[in-house]
Amino acid sequence: SQQGEEDPQALSIQEGENATMNCSYKTSINNLQWYRQNSGRGLVHLILIRSNEREKHSGRLRVTLDTSKKSSSLLITASRAADTASYFCATAQTGANNLFFGTGTRLTVIP
Amino acid sequence: SQTIHQWPATLVQPVGSPLSLECTVEGTSNPNLYWYRQAAGRGLQLLFYSVGIGQISSEVPQNLSASRPQDRQFILSSKKLLLSDSGFYLCAWSPNRGYYGYTFGSGTRLTVV
Repeated sequence: SQQGEEDPQALSIQEGENATMNCSYKTSINNLQWYRQNSGRGLVHLILIRSNEREKHSGRLRVTLDTSKKSSSLLITASRAADTASYFCATAQTGANNLFFGTGTRLTVIP
Repeated sequence: SQTIHQWPATLVQPVGSPLSLECTVEGTSNPNLYWYRQAAGRGLQLLFYSVGIGQISSEVPQNLSASRPQDRQFILSSKKLLLSDSGFYLCAWSPNRGYYGYTFGSGTRLTVV
């Protein structure tokens, strides 16, 4: 399969804690992206990291990319109840016209 | 600014009935357009993508078809729905050059009964 895989499938933490989600993929990529999906809604683009980048920050989000291991992680610091959602990684594979999405991590932040 | 509209939000259709879901984009020209389906609690499955008017690529053999009659309009159709067509359908667009993030519509929840 060309899809990525997120780990864990589900994560439950207390408000204020950090949440870390991982993504593994199998092919060469141009970039890797993370998306958020609230229940029953469309996906929202969070952050994009290019294959020549190792780390990127956006507000409380920190993304790392290790192309040698074909893996990425998304860290959400100081989580809030409003961060409760599903998070998906997606890879822009070299030569492909579309993104390949992982199966997602369901994050629950308990107030 | 660019916006994407997808409708209807929910749809309940009997088996064997036709389907038409519409997606339109505003504020950009010649976008790449995509239809994805998401089964309950699962990831996204790419159904169709289009890089221009009349240019449709199908990723999965199925009971569905797509058309792009205008630059910023993408339609997902079926002549006869199956129970297995139930799911959450998402339209998305991206710029047609380079690698960028996708902007998704709000989705259509289709239940075939």
